[in-house]
Amino acid sequence: EPEVTQTPSHQVTQMGQEVILRCVPISNHLYFYWYRQILGQKVEFLVSFYNNEISEKSEIFDDQFSVERPDGSNFTLKIRSTKLEDSAMYFCASSETSYNEQFFGPGTRLTVL
Amino acid sequence: ELKVEQNPLFLSMQEGKNYTIYCNYSTTSDRLYWYRQDPGKSLESLFVLLSNGAVKQEGRLMASLDTKARLSTLHITAAVHDLSATYFCAVDRGTSGSRLTFGEGTQLTVNP
Repeated sequence: EPEVTQTPSHQVTQMGQEVILRCVPISNHLYFYWYRQILGQKVEFLVSFYNNEISEKSEIFDDQFSVERPDGSNFTLKIRSTKLEDSAMYFCASSETSYNEQFFGPGTRLTVL
Repeated sequence: ELKVEQNPLFLSMQEGKNYTIYCNYSTTSDRLYWYRQDPGKSLESLFVLLSNGAVKQEGRLMASLDTKARLSTLHITAAVHDLSATYFCAVDRGTSGSRLTFGEGTQLTVNP
């Protein structure tokens, strides 16, 4: 069964460093999303992406964040200068159309020291 | 702003008992999702409810949606330990490519 994959599973970085989180959505899906979950809290939307453009972004997704689809398979989230409060689990999701169910990847745990 | 509220947030129950988790949301939406999350793991899709009156069942879990009341329920029948997890409901606004807004989650512990 096709699934969303994410790498790395765990990333440790120093405050102020740049990180890139990678996702491979399900191959025939057209809509891509990033969410985050701070430990013990609910899942929060960051950004959605379609047709090589951001469709929607939340107030969390400030200038420190960017997304890219560098090739036909990967979808990346870049955090330019990480802060302590960026420590969270980051989930990528994809859906076939805008009205279909979103399937989530296993997540990348980001720890900022 | 769409708000999604779940209750209870914590639920400890005995095996064999029944219980219901409630999910209220604040604005019109016809699509509601239930996810399960085990500690340190990803979100596993349980149910997708797409219309008023929708009811879906899988094993000991049954989900329903009342769009008029803006309420969904997740009913657990004869709970078993393996159901211990955190359950999230999520709602989207029904627009193209829209975000999911999640509830706070209900942490369920089923005791032997």
